[in-house]
Amino acid sequence: QKEVEQNSGPLSVPEGAIASLNCTYSDRGSQSFFWYRQYSGKSPELIMFIYSNGDKEDGRFTAQLNKASQYVSLLIRDSQPSDSATYLCAVEYNNAGNMLTFGGGTRLMVKP
Amino acid sequence: DADVTQTPRNRITKTGKRIMLECSQTKGHDRMYWYRQDPGLGLRLIYYSFDVKDINKGEISDGYSVSRQAQAKFSLSLESAIPNQTALYFCATSDSPYNEQFFGPGTRLTVL
Repeated sequence: QKEVEQNSGPLSVPEGAIASLNCTYSDRGSQSFFWYRQYSGKSPELIMFIYSNGDKEDGRFTAQLNKASQYVSLLIRDSQPSDSATYLCAVEYNNAGNMLTFGGGTRLMVKP
Repeated sequence: DADVTQTPRNRITKTGKRIMLECSQTKGHDRMYWYRQDPGLGLRLIYYSFDVKDINKGEISDGYSVSRQAQAKFSLSLESAIPNQTALYFCATSDSPYNEQFFGPGTRLTVL
């Protein structure tokens, strides 16, 4: 069974701190991993994607992938109140079809 | 204008009614998807289509049907709505298995 697990939160961090969001998945054959941000009542928007083991950095965001341990994480440096949202981890389970399985999301709250 | 649009944005209906949710896109993508989102459950795939002649069931297709009228249009129908179909519904598109999915603004459906 395809599973993507996230801590639902809320994860509360002070402004300026590093927020660490984690996601585990069950299929060792997964190749593509995505982080989406979703503001309340809005549609998901892509923050990061990662395909290879290791770190990928984009501005204040860093995605980390460890296929051996089957986890992917998202670090947000210098967290801002505008980062307060739900972060969805999505894992592609079928290389030919781009079928994404989404985790339940982690709600992040950045307090001024 | 938005690249992926959904109509209606909000709908309240009664048990047993037939409902159609529509999705249109101007991104020129072949792949289109319908998801539903319930609190704490992330996004779950209902149906997906890789082109006009290719339609596939997703994780939770029971009680739903779809129609791909053109490359740009993908409609979701609830033949006889029931209260547990109350949810937020998203349409999404992508152009390849490895690129991001772009989401529409969502339709909030309430079945009384």
